[in-house]
Amino acid sequence: GNSVTQMEGPVTLSEEAFLTINCTYTATGYPSLFWYVQYPGEGLQLLLKATKADDKGSNKGFEATYRKETTSFHLEKGSVQVSDSAVYFCALTNPSGGGADGLTFGKGTHLIIQP
Amino acid sequence: DAGITQSPRHKVTETGTPVTLRCHQTENHRYMYWYRQDPGHGLRLIHYSYGVKDTDKGEVSDGYSVSRSKTEDFLLTLESATSSQTSVYFCAISEGDVYGYTFGSGTRLTVV
Repeated sequence: GNSVTQMEGPVTLSEEAFLTINCTYTATGYPSLFWYVQYPGEGLQLLLKATKADDKGSNKGFEATYRKETTSFHLEKGSVQVSDSAVYFCALTNPSGGGADGLTFGKGTHLIIQP
Repeated sequence: DAGITQSPRHKVTETGTPVTLRCHQTENHRYMYWYRQDPGHGLRLIHYSYGVKDTDKGEVSDGYSVSRSKTEDFLLTLESATSSQTSVYFCAISEGDVYGYTFGSGTRLTVV
């Protein structure tokens, strides 16, 4: 079946540091790939997405590139802020699901940014 | 997100009692989903719906049932709650993969 692997953390960085959160996936076919962010006590918000190989998703200074050859979708940001502290989830769709059967999530990466 | 609301936001219930969680959307989206979030597991799909009265099981459906009698409402029922069902439950809606998924604010359920 489909699966997503990401570092769980916590990942602790200083403000203005460079961020990389690795995400690799297993799927048959060509899934769509997503990054969601969850701030404390809240639901999940879509951060960015990519629907085909070599697409780059970007939002709020974050970006990720859909790499079919390495089955990866790593999240990066050049200079993090304290307000970026949250849990980040990598997720994919089922390529054979016809758009109906939802997302498969990684376990989430807890990011802590220290001033 | 204002287009999707979950109720209740918090609930404490006793083992063996039935519990129903409600998800309501105003977006007229075709697809609706129930997930549970647990530490170390991320989010796991319980059930989903692809239309009125059309539902199917997800990865962790045992002990749960769902109903969708109207486009806007998707109900999750725990027929006889157990402590292992203590979790945070999220509802999501979608119009298809390429459009992404919108999540509700969650329901924190504690079974004592």
